[in-house]
Amino acid sequence: QVQLVQSGAAVKKPGSSVKVSCEASGGTFSDSSISWVRQAPGQGLEWMGMIIPIFGVPNYGQKWQGRVTITADESTSTAYMELNSLTSGDTAVYYCAATSGIAVPPRGLPFEYWGQGTLVTVSS
Amino acid sequence: DFQMTQSPSTLSASVGDRVTITCRASQTIGDWLAWYQQKPGKAPKLLIYQASNLEAGVPSRFSGSGSGTEFTFTIRGLQPDDFATYYCQQYNSFYSFGQGTRLEI
Repeated sequence: QVQLVQSGAAVKKPGSSVKVSCEASGGTFSDSSISWVRQAPGQGLEWMGMIIPIFGVPNYGQKWQGRVTITADESTSTAYMELNSLTSGDTAVYYCAATSGIAVPPRGLPFEYWGQGTLVTVSS
Repeated sequence: DFQMTQSPSTLSASVGDRVTITCRASQTIGDWLAWYQQKPGKAPKLLIYQASNLEAGVPSRFSGSGSGTEFTFTIRGLQPDDFATYYCQQYNSFYSFGQGTRLEI
């Protein structure tokens, strides 16, 4: 059973960047894709982007192109999401989510496993 | 981008009721659709994948159907634990979620 453990809550200043980590255990990191999903307070789920660790090439939602960077380190089974140019509107919980298996993009697979979420607060 | 539209946004029901949520895709997505349940302060949980397949361990009172652009999600015999927010998600072309349906007592 795959477990995803994310880094802790962060408080950031407007204009700065935040990097959230997601460490996988109990499964085959290389046999999955990792996505990042944002949930603003009281709002719905928003897909930001994904990476397939064995390919190493990320794909981003249109809205996030140029502002988010997703990477993965197979040696530590850890994925990262870095978001730049933060504003108060980026205050949200950020989840990582993993699939069981790999599909060739743009086709995906459902998110079987989720991290616990990381609250990022952007405030001056 | 594939837009997913869920309705209703809020649904009031009672224990024992049958409820249905609809999800429409802006373009055909085959049956590449999943449904998730989310409770306050928790990560979403996968309930149904490929439109109608029940995830392991999910009670059989949950079901899904549809293909193309029209999908439905049904709960038969609502239990107290089912009051939560439900999301559809297409994974035909990357990913996108519906806006969610809050199921309240």
